[in-house]
Amino acid sequence: DQQVKQNSPSLSVQEGRISILNCDYTNSMFDYFLWYKKYPAEGPTFLISISSIKDKNEDGRFTVFLNKSAKHLSLHIVPSQPGDSAVYFCAARRNNQGGKLIFGQGTELSVKP
Amino acid sequence: DAGVTQSPTHLIKTRGQQVTLRCSPKSGHDTVSWYQQALGQGPQFIFQYYEEEERQRGNFPDRFSGHQFPNYSSELNVNALLLGDSALYLCASSADRGNTDTQYFGPGTRLTVL
Repeated sequence: DQQVKQNSPSLSVQEGRISILNCDYTNSMFDYFLWYKKYPAEGPTFLISISSIKDKNEDGRFTVFLNKSAKHLSLHIVPSQPGDSAVYFCAARRNNQGGKLIFGQGTELSVKP
Repeated sequence: DAGVTQSPTHLIKTRGQQVTLRCSPKSGHDTVSWYQQALGQGPQFIFQYYEEEERQRGNFPDRFSGHQFPNYSSELNVNALLLGDSALYLCASSADRGNTDTQYFGPGTRLTVL
């Protein structure tokens, strides 16, 4: 039972353009969502998060959008840079379930110069 | 300020053996979570420790056990290793401040079971 899904295993974008990574979830009890970036041979690095009471959160080049009715969130990276090339994971947490994060399968982003 | 550290970096074991992985949380963090990441998959939650107690557990068998020490560091133990236990084991730490605390991950321990 995959409660968090990232349906695109890979995405290729030109440097300077927008990267949009998508994530869908099935459990309406999720109330906090996070995006992590992972380089090979490193642990995931926290990027940005959003609470279910919001529909948008921005941090520099990164913006996360949450559509609760569609159970969908997306991460926008503008402008994309070659250093953004990595695997991106979305994760969700259910209210009152402490620290248990449920991750998607990841999307590998490649930003070409 | 050191982030989350894990040891060892890599480990090779044979089926049936036991393994212990170690984690030191980020300074100021009191909660440690462990995840297993198989190749091509997202991390899967094993369990979380807070105040030296297992607070929450994912769908992993009892062969997986853990411990948290008074200095908040933690160990993950896996008994009777199976080939399917080969994975990257990630430790994440956080400060227990409610539902929006962010988990910060270490570099992981790559376990290979032969």
